[in-house]
Amino acid sequence: DTGVSQNPRHKITKRGQNVTFRCDPISEHNRLYWYRQTLGQGPEFLTYFQNEAQLEKSRLLSDRFSAERPKGSFSTLEIQRTEQGDSAMYLCASSRQGAEAFFGQGTRLTVV
Amino acid sequence: ILNVEQSPQSLHVQEGDSTNFTCSFPSSNFYALHWYRWETAKSPEALFVMTLNGDEKKKGRISATLNTKEGYSYLYIKGSQPEDSATYLCAFISSGSARQLTFGSGTQLTVLP
Repeated sequence: DTGVSQNPRHKITKRGQNVTFRCDPISEHNRLYWYRQTLGQGPEFLTYFQNEAQLEKSRLLSDRFSAERPKGSFSTLEIQRTEQGDSAMYLCASSRQGAEAFFGQGTRLTVV
Repeated sequence: ILNVEQSPQSLHVQEGDSTNFTCSFPSSNFYALHWYRWETAKSPEALFVMTLNGDEKKKGRISATLNTKEGYSYLYIKGSQPEDSATYLCAFISSGSARQLTFGSGTQLTVLP
């Protein structure tokens, strides 16, 4: 297993378009997290899965954001009708229960 | 929203200096505290997982202490080297059912040669 994998690494999109990112966690990890990081800030929690169940979703997340983790394996994060304020690094991490998180390289989104 | 604060926000030290920074977190419903190191153009990597009050962990020149009763953890770097330059993040996990990681905004350390 090569760790947490995220695709694409970079995405440039026009305002108003929809984008989808994918995260492949470490295979035996049942927890999967999505975070967003903007300049000068630490990772900001977006949502969290335990297996296929989405246990928590940040109140900061608008209805334009949705995440899925079918079958408790990979996860997708979709942003509909992107806005310039959505430009950020989107990080995925996975972990076993109670253990440290392992992060992917992130997807950098630029909305123009 | 859980309040996890780190200070200072950024720090410049000379090579060879020792330094430390702080992570403050809620003192109630503690489950665990993690420290991560985030180098530019890389992913955050875990340094320490701390679970017990009074824990002290060490990895080479880096060590961390934990006080769950008062809600703080210190990260120490002895004899800083330029390769220690990174953002150091702490993450708090509460004992609630969700057990999500809540990160501080990090301390950005620059070690000058």
